[in-house]
Amino acid sequence: QVQLKESGPGLVQPSQTLSLTCTVSGFSLTSYSVHWVRQHSGKSLEWMGRMWSDGDTSYNSAFTSRLSISRDTSKSQVFLKMNSLQTEDTGTYYCARNWDWALDYWGQGVMVTVSS
Amino acid sequence: DIVMTQSPTSMSISVGDRVTMNCKASQNVGSNVDWYQQKTGQSPKLLIYKASNRYTGVPDRFTGSGSGTDFTFTISNMQAEDLAVYYCMQSNSYTFGAGTKLELK
Repeated sequence: QVQLKESGPGLVQPSQTLSLTCTVSGFSLTSYSVHWVRQHSGKSLEWMGRMWSDGDTSYNSAFTSRLSISRDTSKSQVFLKMNSLQTEDTGTYYCARNWDWALDYWGQGVMVTVSS
Repeated sequence: DIVMTQSPTSMSISVGDRVTMNCKASQNVGSNVDWYQQKTGQSPKLLIYKASNRYTGVPDRFTGSGSGTDFTFTISNMQAEDLAVYYCMQSNSYTFGAGTKLELK
């Protein structure tokens, strides 16, 4: 069945780089796009970017200068790297599969705290 | 950026109630609006895609309507398990509404 699972460090120091991995199963990254979405505690959802099935990427303009999304299709993994982290980047980060422009399967999320 | 203004912010409801919430887009998004349910401690779950299409396995008490800039999401017969926060999202450029939290009266 379709599954997505995020992994990465729970604690990152300010000004450092966040590296997260989304490992998928049950579908191919060359057939489906994968999005990254984050959520501040108790707040709404914020779209960060997308890895298209053809390997292209799209980003939220709010993150463009410090966000990078890549993938390793052989490992069924999508990566998120975001630099210059600040305390405002604390939150839960999700990856989700694109289906007909909606997000139909979501990972469980990984909580990231930015603190010294 | 397209802003999705969702209302109301919260609702106090009873089991069996008909619940309606709205999302207004700051510009025309066609039918490219989806609705998600997020229960406490869980990931969001897709309920409605392209404004009015029920996703696989979603009960028919959940319906969506609208096009252009104005969209509505309705739960026809509120169940206890429907207590959650509901978000609209436009999929032209991917922005979410602020959410509507359903609480028991």
